[in-house]
Amino acid sequence: DTAVSQTPKYLVTQMGNDKSIKCEQNLGHDTMYWYKQDSKKFLKIMFSYNNKELIINETVPNRFSPKSPDKAHLNLHINSLELGDSAVYFCASSLGQGEGYTFGSGTRLTVV
Amino acid sequence: GENVEQHPSTLSVQEGDSAVIKCTYSDSASNYFPWYKQELGKRPQLIIDIRSNVGEKKDQRIAVTLNKTAKHFSLHITETQPEDSAVYFCAASGGNTGKLIFGQGTTLQVKP
Repeated sequence: DTAVSQTPKYLVTQMGNDKSIKCEQNLGHDTMYWYKQDSKKFLKIMFSYNNKELIINETVPNRFSPKSPDKAHLNLHINSLELGDSAVYFCASSLGQGEGYTFGSGTRLTVV
Repeated sequence: GENVEQHPSTLSVQEGDSAVIKCTYSDSASNYFPWYKQELGKRPQLIIDIRSNVGEKKDQRIAVTLNKTAKHFSLHITETQPEDSAVYFCAASGGNTGKLIFGQGTTLQVKP
């Protein structure tokens, strides 16, 4: 029974397309996150939601739009994909401040 | 701004030796310090964490130490095994958002 699940696992798409990544957690956590891991393995936070409310929005282009329909789901929609968007995107969840994350398995996005 | 520096970026040890990874954080309000292990192609997984009211924590072959005054924390792995080979990330969290700022990662190679 997967705790944090992401779909799809792989995504190959052309520049200019729009795509979505879905994330669901069954841990009952209140807080969910999106992180981007670049080719140098650096993990950088993009967004965070607490109980469906956006609480962190780092300096991410407006082409990225998160949506949280309920506290168990956090999706990421990306418009007008660019080559530089190629990365692994990780969803994660936690109980909140001062608690560790459980990461999803990641979505490897390749923009060609 | 918030920053976490991690060293070394790569570490190669012989099986059975010890490995030490060091991190420095900038935000003095940080109060939670987890460590994650990421195997190739997998998700980061929490291996140990420490809170600011504790100076040291140990779990079998791994231990973490925290020096709040110097804003340093370290991961110690004893009796290393080939399956310890992975990328290790330190992180620091503070404030009320639960946001984790990650270090740049250390690629540990344990040679049999």
